[in-house]
Amino acid sequence: DAKTTQPPSMDCAEGRAANLPCNHSTISGNEYVYWYRQIHSQGPQYIIHGLKNNETNEMASLIITEDRKSSTLILPHATLRDTAVYYCIVGSGGYNKLIFGAGTRLAVHP
Amino acid sequence: EPEVTQTPSHQVTQMGQEVILRCVPISNHLYFYWYRQILGQKVEFLVSFYNNEISEKSEIFDDQFSVERPDGSNFTLKIRSTKLEDSAMYFCASRDLRGQGDEKLFFGSGTQLSVL
Repeated sequence: DAKTTQPPSMDCAEGRAANLPCNHSTISGNEYVYWYRQIHSQGPQYIIHGLKNNETNEMASLIITEDRKSSTLILPHATLRDTAVYYCIVGSGGYNKLIFGAGTRLAVHP
Repeated sequence: EPEVTQTPSHQVTQMGQEVILRCVPISNHLYFYWYRQILGQKVEFLVSFYNNEISEKSEIFDDQFSVERPDGSNFTLKIRSTKLEDSAMYFCASRDLRGQGDEKLFFGSGTQLSVL
């Protein structure tokens, strides 16, 4: 599985958009980009995933560059409850495991 | 939304004792996983399970570990003789792969195992 690079930490003001970057320059053509988050010590929570196209759901938007070497997770209106560690993971889907890195620790402040 | 359920939420055991961690994956999911997270460290893959056999396991998953799906609903992780370094949060996850092949993993809330 391709490796990802994320900043270790970011801050965001409550109500503002949080833009979390991820580099995955060695991603293969059949690999998806997944985003999960972990609030405190809870189980990782799925946020969104995509292959080539930008995706949006009720939680977030995912912007994938045309060359697929990087992506950005956007939380449009961050709240205090969005404070968590955010993981960007690339994987080929199917039954294959997802490998978690260190992620980005996002702190949302009032 | 359907949930992966794990029991117990906390387990305290003495070194050398056997423990069984239990998980009820989401109904109709086909693939099952165990991960663990030592305090302050990354979430680490342990094992994946499909069609009543292990699909893949990590180096962590040595002979002291085993998994089983004893019936149609439960998925268990057994540690035969616990060590201090087995203290961690253990997460179960499941996945439904009857669609495009990119289905997401659903994680349980974890079992905190403390080995004394």
